[in-house]
Amino acid sequence: DQQVKQNSPSLSVQEGRISILNCDYTNSMFDYFLWYKKYPAEGPTFLISISSIKDKNEDGRFTVFLNKSAKHLSLHIVPSQPGDSAVYFCAASFLYNTDKLIFGTGTRLQVFP
Amino acid sequence: NAGVTQTPKFRILKIGQSMTLQCAQDMNHNYMYWYRQDPGMGLKLIYYSVGAGITDKGEVPNGYNVSRSTTEDFPLRLELAAPSQTSVYFCASSYSVGELFFGEGSRLTVL
Repeated sequence: DQQVKQNSPSLSVQEGRISILNCDYTNSMFDYFLWYKKYPAEGPTFLISISSIKDKNEDGRFTVFLNKSAKHLSLHIVPSQPGDSAVYFCAASFLYNTDKLIFGTGTRLQVFP
Repeated sequence: NAGVTQTPKFRILKIGQSMTLQCAQDMNHNYMYWYRQDPGMGLKLIYYSVGAGITDKGEVPNGYNVSRSTTEDFPLRLELAAPSQTSVYFCASSYSVGELFFGEGSRLTVL
């Protein structure tokens, strides 16, 4: 039973345009959400997070949106750059319980010139 | 500051062999984790530790053991390796909620 779903295995975007990566979750008790980025042969690195008391969190070119009623979050990257090409994982947890961090299957983003 | 260091990076095992994946962190984090990632899948938690001397099972603990004798080290032991344990293993640590620091991964193949 996949509690965190990333239904798009891959996404291709032109440099300078917006990249939108989507993530759905099934457990309404999740209250903390994170995005990680992973390059080949490297471990995932933390990108941005959002708690359920907010519906938007922004960090430079990266913005995460949370729609609790739809159990959906998205990561927007504007403008997209070739260096953003990586696999992006969303993850969900219960605040103060990172042992319950549940990862999605990842979306491979390719940004082309 | 090395962060999270995993060894070995690659290993091939025969069915039934045993081995230990080493993980060390130099950030003085209390929380440490072992995840595995199978092709096309997300990361699954194997074991975690909230401090020296304290460990607990994650989502997929069968076939593995861990110990945490120091804050820095969190080795993962595979006993009687099976083909189903072919995977990429990631060790991670954290100071607070959510922001995990991952090692580069250890790719294990069991033949």
